Amino acid sequence: QQPVQSPQAVILREGEDAVINCSSSKALYSVHWYRQKHGEAPVFLMILLKGGEQKGHEKISASFNEKKQQSSLYLTASQLSYSGTYFCGTEADSGYALNFGKGTSLLVTP
Amino acid sequence: EAQVTQNPRYLITVTGKKLTVTCSQNMNHEYMSWYRQDPGLGLRQIYYSMNVEVTDKGDVPEGYKVSRKEKRNFPLILESPSPNQTSLYFCASSLFLQGGLGTGELFFGEGSRLTVL
Repeated sequence: QQPVQSPQAVILREGEDAVINCSSSKALYSVHWYRQKHGEAPVFLMILLKGGEQKGHEKISASFNEKKQQSSLYLTASQLSYSGTYFCGTEADSGYALNFGKGTSLLVTP
Repeated sequence: EAQVTQNPRYLITVTGKKLTVTCSQNMNHEYMSWYRQDPGLGLRQIYYSMNVEVTDKGDVPEGYKVSRKEKRNFPLILESPSPNQTSLYFCASSLFLQGGLGTGELFFGEGSRLTVL
């Protein structure tokens, strides 16, 4: 069952911030975040595990609210290289199926 | 170099002609999975495998088969392809997280673009 991502698309100017949200109707064990550039395979950003841990590196971070089964990806001071489609993937408590959302298209302009 | 290799990368075929898309990983990963990507639909899981001889259906398994006879290989079989299976297919693999409780970072192959006429 696919998690729901919002927004579907966002356009930013360089240096602006963005938040991408991901929600599921199932009890989750983990949330994955990936970025895909046009014509390429998705690339791993981070995993968040049940426990509400917030993770991040450089200017990209994420949080996981296990009570609400929601995760958010935070991109601060965006750079041109952040452009691409962002996918969240969710894994339920009950198994190893990793289901991805429909993606959020992010375009950073100069 | 650690990688997931898919073949073929591009294929045009006709309805009903059986085909196999191969996937091989050299990272000794237990977990392997197939996804299809269609515009506006994101990545949808077809099948996944937790280890040799252990496979399970994802969200869209109809019309596909898989097998996991060796740890490194996870072929995707389309017994009788139809036009609605025209898509971009990705194979991915990962280790399990500590304690086997969930999948770790997924490493994706470069994708196989399949067109069924």
